[in-house]
Amino acid sequence: QQPVQSPQAVILREGEDAVINCSSSKALYSVHWYRQKHGEAPVFLMILLKGGEQKGHEKISASFNEKKQQSSLYLTASQLSYSGTYFCGTELGGGSNYKLTFGKGTLLTVNP
Amino acid sequence: ETGVTQTPRHLVMGMTNKKSLKCEQHLGHNAMYWYKQSAKKPLELMFVYNFKEQTENNSVPSRFSPECPNSSHLFLHLHTLQPEDSALYLCASSLSPTGYEQYFGPGTRLTVT
Repeated sequence: QQPVQSPQAVILREGEDAVINCSSSKALYSVHWYRQKHGEAPVFLMILLKGGEQKGHEKISASFNEKKQQSSLYLTASQLSYSGTYFCGTELGGGSNYKLTFGKGTLLTVNP
Repeated sequence: ETGVTQTPRHLVMGMTNKKSLKCEQHLGHNAMYWYKQSAKKPLELMFVYNFKEQTENNSVPSRFSPECPNSSHLFLHLHTLQPEDSALYLCASSLSPTGYEQYFGPGTRLTVT
């Protein structure tokens, strides 16, 4: 049930764009995105509930394709501060299914 | 204090020791979680509590024993651990266990010798 993230790692120059994908083989209720910098705790970026919505957070946005059980995180005009490991977390359903399962992460490095 | 706090931040223990990790959240949330993060592995959910009741035990060995006396405090009692239990243990909280963002504490770096 672990979501699959791609790519595993990406290196950018400041100002470039990147897309990180997250896919599941199961029907999803929600997709969460977090960023973790080295030696720090994961920090929440955004959550997408089923309904195919797209959300934005400054220059970081995400989409959720409910039919394909896929979510993508878009980072535009990347900044040095965007460096870190990005994790997607998926919930299979509401009700009693209290379990957020995380992917293995995508290491993003932004160089000057 | 604001957010989610964890103590201690670092812990070294022998395999025969008994220790406890503490987590406290000041966000008014109802759900609390323990995660394990090992090198080169994804975040692994261990336990979920909702309104002090355990709602998820993700097949965690009995040498890890959680305790949630109220919605603001969460403990993880450790005994007879193995070296492979060395990891970063993260506590998190959310308003509800489903459909809400989770806020993580800074973690406890545990080393079992």
